[in-house]
Amino acid sequence: DAGVTQSPTHLIKTRGQQVTLRCSPKSGHDTVSWYQQALGQGPQFIFQYYEEEERQRGNFPDRFSGHQFPNYSSELNVNALLLGDSALYLCASSFIGSNEKLFFGSGTQLSVL
Amino acid sequence: DAKTTQPTSMDCAEGRAANLPCNHSTISGNEYVYWYRQIHSQGPQYIIHGLKNNETNEMASLIITEDRKSSTLILPHATLRDTAVYYCIVRVAGQGGSEKLVFGKGTKLTVNP
Repeated sequence: DAGVTQSPTHLIKTRGQQVTLRCSPKSGHDTVSWYQQALGQGPQFIFQYYEEEERQRGNFPDRFSGHQFPNYSSELNVNALLLGDSALYLCASSFIGSNEKLFFGSGTQLSVL
Repeated sequence: DAKTTQPTSMDCAEGRAANLPCNHSTISGNEYVYWYRQIHSQGPQYIIHGLKNNETNEMASLIITEDRKSSTLILPHATLRDTAVYYCIVRVAGQGGSEKLVFGKGTKLTVNP
């Protein structure tokens, strides 16, 4: 079992560009959540996807959007990148029928120059 | 905002027990206490959770006070690999993983040889 996998591991972009990050959930999981972690801070919830729909959203602007595919994998898209978007982006998966644990990937480190 | 307060940092000698405190004085009756940890350059890892009874698993023990306003995570025999940031989170469970995790800054635990 590969667990939660994210790609790419590192990414460098410039201001104004767009970026797409990808996540494959743990086998058997159907729900994917995305978190942003700035340096020295705890992760902050961006949004969650289940059945290909956004179920919950944190306090992030519309520049942040996502998608979930029929195979439960997910993408996070960020448009019009700002310097402040530089962070570690974490994907977490879970199964809607359980309630205890989120499993996190190792994240994508995004640097905006 | 996070509903928990934790010390910023703690030190522990290798082989000794590490006791990490957490205050959650505004916890609601249906909220569980969850602990996650984040080792450098990795995503958060689930450790343990509980409602009101003490819990133990292969990783740690969780002691919750009778009034549920505080708890302590115990690593019985800390090793160097336990050096990480430990997050205490209160969360409503039983919703199929739909309830987002609200992270604070956590406690940086350093296990010294």
